Amino acid sequence: DTEVTQTPKHLVMGMTNKKSLKCEQHMGHRAMYWYKQKAKKPPELMFVYSYEKLSINESVPSRFSPECPNSSLLNLHLHALQPEDSALYLCASSRPMTGQGSNEQFFGPGTRLTVL
Amino acid sequence: AQKVTQAQTEISVVEKEDVTLDCVYETRDTTYYLFWYKQPPSGELVFLIRRNSFDEQNEISGRYSWNFQKSTSSFNFTITASQVVDSAVYFCALSEGYSTLTFGKGTMLLVSP
Repeated sequence: DTEVTQTPKHLVMGMTNKKSLKCEQHMGHRAMYWYKQKAKKPPELMFVYSYEKLSINESVPSRFSPECPNSSLLNLHLHALQPEDSALYLCASSRPMTGQGSNEQFFGPGTRLTVL
Repeated sequence: AQKVTQAQTEISVVEKEDVTLDCVYETRDTTYYLFWYKQPPSGELVFLIRRNSFDEQNEISGRYSWNFQKSTSSFNFTITASQVVDSAVYFCALSEGYSTLTFGKGTMLLVSP
Protein backbone atom coordinates (compact mmCIF):
# COMPACT_ATOMS: atom_id res chain seq x y z
CA ASP A 1 0.00 0.00 0.00
CA THR A 2 1.78 3.13 -1.23
CA GLU A 3 -0.98 5.55 -0.38
CA VAL A 4 -1.13 8.65 1.75
CA THR A 5 -4.66 9.79 2.51
CA GLN A 6 -5.80 13.25 3.52
CA THR A 7 -9.10 14.56 4.82
CA PRO A 8 -11.00 16.65 4.08
CA LYS A 9 -10.43 17.21 0.36
CA HIS A 10 -11.88 20.70 0.55
CA LEU A 11 -12.32 23.01 3.50
CA VAL A 12 -13.83 26.46 3.74
CA MET A 13 -13.44 28.26 7.04
CA GLY A 14 -13.85 31.68 8.51
CA MET A 15 -11.04 33.55 10.21
CA THR A 16 -12.41 32.76 13.66
CA ASN A 17 -12.91 29.04 13.10
CA LYS A 18 -10.85 26.17 14.41
CA LYS A 19 -10.40 23.20 12.12
CA SER A 20 -8.01 20.31 11.61
CA LEU A 21 -6.48 18.62 8.60
CA LYS A 22 -5.73 14.93 8.84
CA CYS A 23 -3.18 12.74 7.11
CA GLU A 24 -2.67 8.98 7.34
CA GLN A 25 -0.17 6.52 5.89
CA HIS A 26 0.31 2.80 6.35
CA MET A 27 3.66 2.34 4.65
CA GLY A 28 5.58 2.13 7.90
CA HIS A 29 7.23 5.45 7.20
CA ARG A 30 8.68 7.26 10.20
CA ALA A 31 9.04 10.71 8.62
CA MET A 32 5.99 12.83 7.83
CA TYR A 33 5.72 16.29 6.33
CA TRP A 34 3.32 19.17 5.87
CA TYR A 35 3.64 21.41 2.83
CA LYS A 36 1.74 24.48 1.71
CA GLN A 37 1.31 25.11 -2.00
CA LYS A 38 -0.05 28.27 -3.57
CA ALA A 39 -1.27 28.29 -7.15
CA LYS A 40 1.47 28.02 -9.78
CA LYS A 41 4.15 27.67 -7.12
CA PRO A 42 6.16 24.71 -5.82
CA PRO A 43 5.31 23.20 -2.44
CA GLU A 44 6.78 24.98 0.57
CA LEU A 45 7.83 22.88 3.52
CA MET A 46 6.10 23.74 6.79
CA PHE A 47 6.89 20.96 9.26
CA VAL A 48 8.77 17.67 9.47
CA TYR A 49 8.17 14.91 12.00
CA SER A 50 10.73 12.21 12.46
CA TYR A 51 9.82 9.27 14.67
CA GLU A 52 6.79 11.21 15.90
CA LYS A 53 8.93 14.13 17.06
CA LEU A 54 8.86 17.55 15.44
CA SER A 55 12.26 17.95 13.82
CA ILE A 56 11.76 20.91 11.50
CA ASN A 57 9.50 23.95 11.79
CA GLU A 58 10.10 26.33 8.93
CA SER A 59 9.16 29.44 10.90
CA VAL A 60 5.48 28.77 10.43
CA PRO A 61 3.04 31.13 12.24
CA SER A 62 1.58 29.73 15.44
CA ARG A 63 -1.92 29.71 13.95
CA PHE A 64 -0.75 26.43 12.38
CA SER A 65 -0.18 23.73 14.97
CA PRO A 66 1.02 20.27 13.91
CA GLU A 67 0.50 17.08 15.84
CA CYS A 68 1.72 13.53 15.31
CA PRO A 69 -0.36 11.22 17.55
CA ASN A 70 1.32 8.06 16.27
CA SER A 71 3.53 6.82 13.49
CA SER A 72 0.67 6.63 10.99
CA LEU A 73 -1.16 9.88 11.66
CA LEU A 74 -0.36 13.53 11.19
CA ASN A 75 -2.68 16.41 11.98
CA LEU A 76 -2.53 20.11 11.27
CA HIS A 77 -4.66 22.23 13.59
CA LEU A 78 -5.79 25.57 12.22
CA HIS A 79 -6.92 28.55 14.23
CA ALA A 80 -7.49 32.20 13.40
CA LEU A 81 -6.25 31.86 9.86
CA GLN A 82 -5.97 34.69 7.38
CA PRO A 83 -7.27 34.78 3.80
CA GLU A 84 -3.68 34.56 2.54
CA ASP A 85 -3.47 31.12 4.15
CA SER A 86 -5.77 29.79 1.46
CA ALA A 87 -3.79 27.15 -0.40
CA LEU A 88 -3.40 23.45 -1.10
CA TYR A 89 -2.01 21.69 1.97
CA LEU A 90 -0.07 18.56 1.17
CA CYS A 91 1.01 15.80 3.49
CA ALA A 92 3.88 13.46 2.63
CA SER A 93 5.71 10.57 4.21
CA SER A 94 9.02 8.84 3.69
CA ARG A 95 11.46 6.48 5.29
CA PRO A 96 13.55 8.56 7.69
CA MET A 97 16.62 10.34 6.40
CA THR A 98 19.59 8.21 7.38
CA GLY A 99 23.20 7.75 6.43
CA GLN A 100 21.90 6.30 3.18
CA GLY A 101 20.56 9.74 2.35
CA SER A 102 17.34 11.35 1.44
CA ASN A 103 14.45 9.06 0.60
CA GLU A 104 11.64 9.75 -1.78
CA GLN A 105 8.54 11.32 -0.29
CA PHE A 106 5.08 10.04 -1.11
CA PHE A 107 2.39 12.68 -1.17
CA GLY A 108 -1.29 12.67 -0.40
CA PRO A 109 -3.89 14.33 -2.64
CA GLY A 110 -3.98 17.43 -0.48
CA THR A 111 -6.65 19.57 1.18
CA ARG A 112 -7.77 22.69 -0.68
CA LEU A 113 -8.29 25.28 2.02
CA THR A 114 -10.19 28.51 1.55
CA VAL A 115 -10.20 31.08 4.32
CA LEU A 116 -12.95 33.67 4.09
CA ALA B 1 23.06 26.79 -0.76
CA GLN B 2 21.16 24.42 -2.95
CA LYS B 3 19.09 25.60 -5.89
CA VAL B 4 17.04 24.03 -8.65
CA THR B 5 16.24 25.83 -11.89
CA GLN B 6 13.55 24.77 -14.31
CA ALA B 7 13.81 27.42 -16.97
CA GLN B 8 10.81 26.23 -18.97
CA THR B 9 7.66 27.62 -17.38
CA GLU B 10 5.27 26.03 -19.83
CA ILE B 11 5.61 23.67 -22.78
CA SER B 12 2.88 22.80 -25.28
CA VAL B 13 3.13 19.80 -27.57
CA VAL B 14 0.86 17.73 -29.71
CA GLU B 15 0.24 14.13 -28.82
CA LYS B 16 2.97 11.68 -29.94
CA GLU B 17 5.66 14.36 -29.90
CA ASP B 18 8.74 13.80 -27.74
CA VAL B 19 9.38 16.45 -25.10
CA THR B 20 12.31 17.17 -22.78
CA LEU B 21 11.96 18.99 -19.49
CA ASP B 22 15.13 20.67 -18.31
CA CYS B 23 16.46 20.75 -14.76
CA VAL B 24 19.68 22.42 -13.65
CA TYR B 25 20.81 22.27 -10.04
CA GLU B 26 23.38 23.90 -7.80
CA THR B 27 24.93 22.29 -4.76
CA ARG B 28 28.22 22.35 -2.91
CA ASP B 29 27.83 18.83 -1.58
CA THR B 30 29.34 15.80 -3.24
CA THR B 31 26.51 13.64 -1.95
CA TYR B 32 23.07 14.69 -3.07
CA TYR B 33 19.85 13.30 -4.46
CA LEU B 34 17.70 14.38 -7.37
CA PHE B 35 14.02 13.74 -7.85
CA TRP B 36 11.26 14.28 -10.36
CA TYR B 37 7.62 14.59 -9.37
CA LYS B 38 4.48 14.91 -11.48
CA GLN B 39 1.51 16.98 -10.31
CA PRO B 40 -1.63 16.47 -12.40
CA PRO B 41 -4.57 18.87 -12.09
CA SER B 42 -5.98 16.75 -9.24
CA GLY B 43 -3.16 18.11 -7.05
CA GLU B 44 -1.33 15.04 -5.79
CA LEU B 45 2.42 14.97 -6.36
CA VAL B 46 3.44 11.65 -7.86
CA PHE B 47 6.98 10.44 -7.31
CA LEU B 48 8.71 9.50 -10.59
CA ILE B 49 12.39 8.95 -9.87
CA ARG B 50 15.19 9.37 -7.34
CA ARG B 51 18.81 9.48 -8.38
CA ASN B 52 21.86 9.82 -6.16
CA SER B 53 24.94 11.79 -7.12
CA PHE B 54 27.12 8.71 -7.46
CA ASP B 55 24.94 7.09 -10.07
CA GLU B 56 25.15 8.84 -13.42
CA GLN B 57 23.59 6.00 -15.30
CA ASN B 58 20.65 7.15 -17.36
CA GLU B 59 17.33 5.50 -16.69
CA ILE B 60 14.41 4.51 -18.85
CA SER B 61 10.99 3.56 -17.60
CA GLY B 62 8.51 2.96 -20.39
CA ARG B 63 8.05 6.27 -22.23
CA TYR B 64 10.01 8.15 -19.57
CA SER B 65 13.77 8.59 -19.55
CA TRP B 66 16.15 10.64 -17.47
CA ASN B 67 19.56 12.02 -18.41
CA PHE B 68 21.81 12.85 -15.45
CA GLN B 69 24.98 14.77 -16.28
CA LYS B 70 27.13 15.94 -13.39
CA SER B 71 29.43 17.84 -15.74
CA THR B 72 26.60 20.24 -16.57
CA SER B 73 24.67 19.83 -13.27
CA SER B 74 21.61 18.75 -15.17
CA PHE B 75 18.97 16.11 -14.68
CA ASN B 76 16.69 16.28 -17.69
CA PHE B 77 13.48 14.34 -18.21
CA THR B 78 12.23 13.15 -21.59
CA ILE B 79 8.79 11.85 -22.40
CA THR B 80 8.66 9.90 -25.64
CA ALA B 81 5.46 9.82 -27.69
CA SER B 82 3.62 12.13 -25.31
CA GLN B 83 -0.01 11.51 -24.42
CA VAL B 84 -2.78 13.77 -23.16
CA VAL B 85 -2.53 12.07 -19.76
CA ASP B 86 1.02 13.41 -19.46
CA SER B 87 -0.40 16.92 -19.07
CA ALA B 88 0.70 18.07 -15.63
CA VAL B 89 3.18 20.23 -13.78
CA TYR B 90 6.53 18.52 -13.37
CA PHE B 91 8.85 19.40 -10.52
CA CYS B 92 12.52 18.65 -10.24
CA ALA B 93 13.86 18.59 -6.68
CA LEU B 94 17.21 18.33 -4.92
CA SER B 95 18.22 17.08 -1.49
CA GLU B 96 21.67 17.27 0.05
CA GLY B 97 22.52 14.45 2.43
CA TYR B 98 20.17 14.73 5.39
CA SER B 99 18.36 17.82 4.14
CA THR B 100 14.84 18.20 2.90
CA LEU B 101 13.70 18.75 -0.67
CA THR B 102 14.34 21.93 -2.59
CA PHE B 103 11.91 22.15 -5.49
CA GLY B 104 12.30 23.94 -8.77
CA LYS B 105 9.47 26.22 -9.85
CA GLY B 106 7.99 23.52 -12.04
CA THR B 107 7.26 23.14 -15.73
CA MET B 108 3.67 22.92 -16.92
CA LEU B 109 3.34 20.46 -19.79
CA LEU B 110 0.25 20.69 -21.99
CA VAL B 111 -0.29 17.83 -24.42
CA SER B 112 -3.07 18.42 -26.90
CA PRO B 113 -4.78 15.74 -28.97
